[in-house]
Amino acid sequence: DSGVTQTPKHLITATGQRVTLRCSPRSGDLSVYWYQQSLDQGLQFLIQYYNGEERAKGNILERFSAQQFPDLHSELNLSSLELGDSALYFCASSVVVGGRGNEQFFGPGTRLTVL
Amino acid sequence: GDSVTQMEGPVTLSEEACLTINCTYTATGYPSLFWYVQYPGEGLQLLLKATKADDKGSNKGFEATYRKETTSFHLEKGSVQVSDSAVYFCALSGQASSNTGKLIFGQGTTLQVKP
Repeated sequence: DSGVTQTPKHLITATGQRVTLRCSPRSGDLSVYWYQQSLDQGLQFLIQYYNGEERAKGNILERFSAQQFPDLHSELNLSSLELGDSALYFCASSVVVGGRGNEQFFGPGTRLTVL
Repeated sequence: GDSVTQMEGPVTLSEEACLTINCTYTATGYPSLFWYVQYPGEGLQLLLKATKADDKGSNKGFEATYRKETTSFHLEKGSVQVSDSAVYFCALSGQASSNTGKLIFGQGTTLQVKP
């Protein structure tokens, strides 16, 4: 158990809908990362927050957004869903932002299926 | 931009066989290098890491050496077990001053070990 929790574990929805994925980082970790794992794109970095502020953006679509709340949990919002958004979404956390060899701890993921 | 290339899988081995999974990277400067493992139905776990040239990361019988001259970080194990069956990801975190610690992953290599 990494100490990172993600809810829900599975999500099935229809095209055009909007969903929210939730992540609680390990106790004491200030940095949260979101990654998408799909068969065709592999594991890709989406976005990072540190202590409530956005720090880095990767290949995140404009239909997707995220935030980190004062209690440090984070939510990833996916809207106008398309079939291609079906993937496993991971959240990871770390104590600091950046730094050499900074270890990230991954949650179990949320599997999103868009029908 | 930075990138990681892993050998294609799946890799199927008999128990006690030797394992090598090749990983090469493209990055400026001296990135930090990681191997993560994903067991079925779980999130990613850090297996080992190296932060500078010629460093050797090791854990649970697995080893990888940071080779700057060949831009490689190959994963090796002398004798695999059935319990090593998983997906293995090579990843890097860039050295740039703007580095936020985000990880860039290879495609992943599935290892299946048969008794």
